[in-house]
Amino acid sequence: GIQVEQSPPDLILQEGANSTLRCNFSDSVNNLQWFHQNPWGQLINLFYIPSGTKQNGRLSATTVATERYSLLYISSSQTTDSGVYFCAVDRNNDMRFGAGTRLTVKP
Amino acid sequence: KAGVTQTPRYLIKTRGQQVTLSCSPISGHRSVSWYQQTPGQGLQFLFEYFSETQRNKGNFPGRFSGRQFSNSRSEMNVSTLELGDSALYLCASSESYEQYFGPGTRLTVT
Repeated sequence: GIQVEQSPPDLILQEGANSTLRCNFSDSVNNLQWFHQNPWGQLINLFYIPSGTKQNGRLSATTVATERYSLLYISSSQTTDSGVYFCAVDRNNDMRFGAGTRLTVKP
Repeated sequence: KAGVTQTPRYLIKTRGQQVTLSCSPISGHRSVSWYQQTPGQGLQFLFEYFSETQRNKGNFPGRFSGRQFSNSRSEMNVSTLELGDSALYLCASSESYEQYFGPGTRLTVT
């Protein structure tokens, strides 16, 4: 199956800093999503982005499908951004998740 | 629209018992997928149902099964529970490719 690698595994930032999270995948995909998992376990949709660039407030994402990677940008980070960020890719209705990036934003 | 709902939210079971978890998808969504999340293995795909048919299945033993009803609600069943089945079980629904997750059921097996 498809391999999904996320980096870095852990990231500690000071409030107000910017960050870039990366997701590499091993094969072509139909779907790529970024999620934020809150402390209660809920996975919150951030972006559905199989290709191209999208922005939503302080967050933006870019997927370069031909090079098999996606980037999630967080600008002016806030303490509420803390949590685990997952990249998930779907090929033939089989969604695979990366191991996640655990982000801690300190006040 | 209401989001994906899962019941129960928390469950404690004993080894050897069986358990049934329920998932109600977003109205109009015909696909329901189930995932297991553990600290050691991360998020792993269990199976996907579409219009009452299992469309895809992950690499889990036969003790894990599921079904989908005509109203798209889905249940998953785990028989002969083992300690390693302790996990957060997440359900997701979708209309096409984008998946929306429920809050999960946290199962503890003692």
